[in-house]
Amino acid sequence: DAGITQSPRYKITETGRQVTLMCHQTWSHSYMFWYRQDLGHGLRLIYYSAAADITDKGEVPDGYVVSRSKTENFPLTLESATRSQTSVYFCASRTGTGSSDTQYFGPGTRLTVL
Amino acid sequence: AQSVSQHNHHVILSEAASLELGCNYSYGGTVNLFWYVQYPGQHLQLLLKYFSGDPLVKGIKGFEAEFIQSKFSFNLRKPSVQWSDTAEYFCAVIISGSARQLTFGSGTQLTVLP
Repeated sequence: DAGITQSPRYKITETGRQVTLMCHQTWSHSYMFWYRQDLGHGLRLIYYSAAADITDKGEVPDGYVVSRSKTENFPLTLESATRSQTSVYFCASRTGTGSSDTQYFGPGTRLTVL
Repeated sequence: AQSVSQHNHHVILSEAASLELGCNYSYGGTVNLFWYVQYPGQHLQLLLKYFSGDPLVKGIKGFEAEFIQSKFSFNLRKPSVQWSDTAEYFCAVIISGSARQLTFGSGTQLTVLP
């Protein structure tokens, strides 16, 4: 049971380049999320998706693009990477309703923009 | 917008000491509350959650948390910490009826000395 996988796990890129971070879940959860983790800020929501072809902005969406053509995949693209986007990126999916509502997180992608 | 505050940024304890990590949120309506743990180099894992009912919630690994609505707090406790509890701890909240994305606190780094 793989759960949520992210690739790559580590990425170094240069300012101005396009970068795509991949997220894949094996559970068929409807909701998926992208967060970035920065020291002193905890995790901040970038984008989320309620279902295939339905996405919405979170707290810090600028400079990012998402798509969701299939339920199991939720890629995050940095169209023109900037140094301020150096961070650890976590993908998550959500299961259940009511008291069983829980988000599960992937292992993260550490991105460095030079 | 709702926010979550974790006032302890770094806590250092000796093994067998008792632990209490503070978490306060700023929303007057119905909320669902979570504590996640992130061990070094790993992804976030759910420790416990509160949706309704008994305000004292027991989670995994001997952790518990108490929801005090009048204080807008959801503090995490453990009576006796172990070296293996060294990790970063995040409090998070979902506002009931929203799109149900998590809002995280900035995290508390716990270091347990052997």
